[in-house]
Amino acid sequence: DAGVTQSPTHLIKTRGQQVTLRCSPKSGHDTVSWYQQALGQGPQFIFQYYEEEERQRGNFPDRFSGHQFPNYSSELNVNALLLGDSALYLCASSFNRNTGELFFGEGSRLTVL
Amino acid sequence: GDSVTQMEGPVTLSEEAFLTINCTYTATGYPSLFWYVQYPGEGLQLLLKATKADDKGSNKGFEATYRKETTSFHLEKGSVQVSDSAVYFCALRSLITNTGNQFYFGTGTSLTVIP
Repeated sequence: DAGVTQSPTHLIKTRGQQVTLRCSPKSGHDTVSWYQQALGQGPQFIFQYYEEEERQRGNFPDRFSGHQFPNYSSELNVNALLLGDSALYLCASSFNRNTGELFFGEGSRLTVL
Repeated sequence: GDSVTQMEGPVTLSEEAFLTINCTYTATGYPSLFWYVQYPGEGLQLLLKATKADDKGSNKGFEATYRKETTSFHLEKGSVQVSDSAVYFCALRSLITNTGNQFYFGTGTSLTVIP
């Protein structure tokens, strides 16, 4: 049973560029959440997707957007990259939108130069 | 708003020493509380959880008790091993209806256990 998988694992971008990160949830899970983890910090909630819609959003600007597909996989898009967007981006899935335990992927490490 | 404050590290212990990592929280209502662990190069893994006051979560020799009166959820282990070296995150999930599955994490405590 595959867990949460994310791609790519590492990537380097320059300021102003756009990036797309991908996530496949754990089998049987229908809800995907994205978190940003800056170096030395705890994960910060970006948003949650359920039934292909953004259901809840944290304190992140509109440059951060996402999508969920019918097979429950998800993408995180970040436009107009800033140096401060450099972080580990974690995808977490759960089988219940409100009460499910979060299962995390290993993350995508984004470096913005 | 909801938040978690946990003991800053790094923490360095000798093998078989006793471990305590402090965690306190601020939340509306009665949250569920969690400890996640992050080993080097890996994602976060659930270590233990407690969903109501006075519950004790336990796993792999680690324990934490949900203390409503002190709003705390301290992590303890009686005898640490080298393999316990990792970063530990305290987290909460609010029980307010329809808020979704948003977790609030502390900043993490790095633990290094030396032989």
